[in-house]
Amino acid sequence: ILNVEQSPQSLHVQEGDSTNFTCSFPSSNFYALHWYRWETAKSPEALFVMTLNGDEKKKGRISATLNTKEGYSYLYIKGSQPEDSATYLCAFMMGTSYDKVIFGPGTSLSVIP
Amino acid sequence: SQTIHQWPATLVQPVGSPLSLECTVEGTSNPNLYWYRQAAGRGLQLLFYSVGIGQISSEVPQNLSASRPQDRQFILSSKKLLLSDSGFYLCAWSEDRGTEAFFGQGTRLTVV
Repeated sequence: ILNVEQSPQSLHVQEGDSTNFTCSFPSSNFYALHWYRWETAKSPEALFVMTLNGDEKKKGRISATLNTKEGYSYLYIKGSQPEDSATYLCAFMMGTSYDKVIFGPGTSLSVIP
Repeated sequence: SQTIHQWPATLVQPVGSPLSLECTVEGTSNPNLYWYRQAAGRGLQLLFYSVGIGQISSEVPQNLSASRPQDRQFILSSKKLLLSDSGFYLCAWSEDRGTEAFFGQGTRLTVV
């Protein structure tokens, strides 16, 4: 059974704090790793699509790294703002199964003003 | 620009009743289409995906089915709903394998 795990399950930080969370996935048959942000009452929105070991991507205050050999990805948020409050999902895509995507359970982030 | 429409937004159905959720995509051709479900306290689970008209792949055995009668239309159905079918259903599309998915607004289904 393939498992994608995310930690922590939830996180409460003060505005201005930097934070990071982890996505763990199988280290074999890797094809891609996606990060999504899911705000309450909205649809999940893609943050990053990562495909190569060692990938580092950045969008504003948010960045992500990828280690496919050991099966993990980190998402970093620098200087958290209340609008960053959301659930952050990672999704692992296998190389052997066309379009098979396994989502992690998500990390719920609350940024306290 | 591409848009995705999913309806209805909320639905309350009795056990044993049929289900039909519809999703349409505009502004793109031959998208990959997906149905996901989020059960209470759990992550997103891929139910069905489709790479073309009439081509449906199921990830999880269940009493749900999906159809793709047109290139940009994806329908999730059930003949008889179970209590365990309650959850939040999301439709999504992507241009190609591995590319980011774009999600609809979701349907909150409550089976009573």
